[in-house]
This record gives sequence, structure tokens and C-alpha cells, in this order.
Amino acid sequence: LAKTTQPISMDSYEGQEVNITCSHNNIATNDYITWYQQFPSQGPRFIIQGYKTKVTNEVASLFIPADRKSSTLSLPRVSLSDTAVYYCLAKDSNYQLIWGAGTKLIIKP
Amino acid sequence: NAGVTQTPKFQVLKTGQSMTLQCAQDMNHNSMYWYRQDPGMGLRLIYYSASEGTTDKGEVPNGYNVSRLNKREFSLRLESAAPSQTSVYFCASSERPRGGDTEAFFGQGTRLTVV
Repeated sequence: LAKTTQPISMDSYEGQEVNITCSHNNIATNDYITWYQQFPSQGPRFIIQGYKTKVTNEVASLFIPADRKSSTLSLPRVSLSDTAVYYCLAKDSNYQLIWGAGTKLIIKP
Repeated sequence: NAGVTQTPKFQVLKTGQSMTLQCAQDMNHNSMYWYRQDPGMGLRLIYYSASEGTTDKGEVPNGYNVSRLNKREFSLRLESAAPSQTSVYFCASSERPRGGDTEAFFGQGTRLTVV
């Protein structure tokens, strides 16, 4: 049974780099891993997706090792506005969407 | 640029009442989704529509029905609401089916309470 597992919560400070790791078991071998950000009373918002190795965009980096059993979202130099819940998303072998339960990230001044 | 629009934003129902949640997207996306979000459980897929005219069950379809009215609109109906359906409901759309390989856009959500 495919599953994605994330830490329930994390704390950090402004200006620090934050890494959130998601473990995924039995996910599809040839499909993307995606991360979303959600603020209170809003829908999730796409951050980044990748298939393997490293992907970087203007807001984050995503590291996926060769075995694809985990992925790490990296947020450089976080600010208070990065306080949110972060979700990882993968697919199982039947291409059903498997969402993580979310990591609540709190950034302190 | 509206994106995905859901109505209503808030609703209180009595047990046994019915209602329809409306969703419309203006991005010409093929695929649309309905999720529910409960505390500590992340997002769970109720139904999705890979393209106009097709619908499929997701992880938690019991107690719900959907209609893909046209390419823009995807509605979710609760025929006989139960307290277990108290949740926040999100509609989403994406260009390709099962948007794990492309960006999915979400609405603002509908907070439903069944008493």
C-alpha cells in the first residue's frame, strides 16, 4: 500500500534554510512528486514538482534521491510569511493520488 | 483572473438535508477534482473528472454524487447530509488527469457544518 509520511510540525527562524522531508513507499516509479503550500482558509497552492535528482524554481528546491523513497523540500532563507502547512503528493502504482497529512511549518522572528 | 471559484463559502445543514456545492474554472482545464479536508488528515479525494463527460470515484466517494456539467463546471451533491460530512471541501482543476504531474489549482474552499 502506497503511503506518504511527513513530520507533523517544524519550527524555524527567519533567514534560516528549512528542509522538510517526505517518505514515500510503493509509489509509481515513473511519475512526479509534487509539493503544495497551504495558508489558513485558503486552498493549497503548487510550489514545485520533480521526478528525480534536483529541481529548483524561484521559491524552493526539491531533492529526490535515486531510489525515490523520499523527497526533501528546501526553502531558502525563510520569512514569517512562509508559515504554512506543506503537503507532499505522489501517486501509487495505479496512479491514484496519495497526499501526505501535511507539515505545519512555523517561522519565528 | 478568477481561477477556480467555489460557492458557497460557508454552509450549515441539518442532518438529512441535501445541497449542491458548485465549482467553476476559467482556465480551460480538462480535469477537475473534489477533495475534503479534515483536521490531521490532509486532503482526501472524493471524486474526479478526467475530462468533460467522465467522472470517477476517489478515496472517499460514499454519500456524494458529482456532475461534470460542462468543461468549466463540476458540482458535488450531498443527497442526505450526515454529521460525518462536516468538513472543508475543495475543488481543483488541472490541465491533465490526476494532476500529480502538473500544477493543480484549488478554489478557496467551502466550510460545511452538518448539525
